[in-house]
Amino acid sequence: EVQLLESGGGLVQPGGSLRLSCVVSGFTFSTYAMSWVRQAPGKGLEWVSGISASGGNTYYADSVKGRFTISIDNSKNTLCLQMNSLRAEDTAVYYCAKESGVIGTPLFDYWGQGTLVTVSS
Amino acid sequence: EIVLTQSPGTLSLSPGERATLSCRASQSVSNNYLAWYQQKPGQAPRLFIYGASSRATGIPDRFSGSGSGTDFTLTISRLEPEDFAVYFCQQYGGSATFGGGTKVEIK
Repeated sequence: EVQLLESGGGLVQPGGSLRLSCVVSGFTFSTYAMSWVRQAPGKGLEWVSGISASGGNTYYADSVKGRFTISIDNSKNTLCLQMNSLRAEDTAVYYCAKESGVIGTPLFDYWGQGTLVTVSS
Repeated sequence: EIVLTQSPGTLSLSPGERATLSCRASQSVSNNYLAWYQQKPGQAPRLFIYGASSRATGIPDRFSGSGSGTDFTLTISRLEPEDFAVYFCQQYGGSATFGGGTKVEIK
């Protein structure tokens, strides 16, 4: 059974940092690209960042470029998102999502339950 | 960036009725790489349809997707109580973008 479990969310002041983690199981982590998708309270979905299966290629939405860094640790089956210089508009539930496997096509076939990030003073 | 516009914003229907949800793209979606997700309150989205018309694993056949280019439709032939939820479309021909969602609520 495929499982994705996020952690690391919480309350942080504007300008602060947080590191999100997503531990996966049930599939060969090193074979699939992964992404982070967020959802502001009561709003729609926004793709934030993606990383290739090897970790060699990373992608970011313009809204987070230069502030967020995505990474993987294949030895620990873990996807991470380092978030710096956080803003109020970054407040959202952050989901990690597994991509389906076709290179260059971010179709998300499995999602974690999400972790809430709140940026507020 | 491809912008996806979903309509209507809210659909009020009764169980047993047919639901038709629309997703319009600002430019043609390459290879009809259009997906639909269902999301219930407090839950993560769940993949329902991909490639515009293919059902994901375990999705009942009352759900069908159609369309091509810039206009796509999700149809639920007869609403069951568990189908009342928010549905998002997503294009994945390049970087992923999502529509704003359609809420299917009980009338």
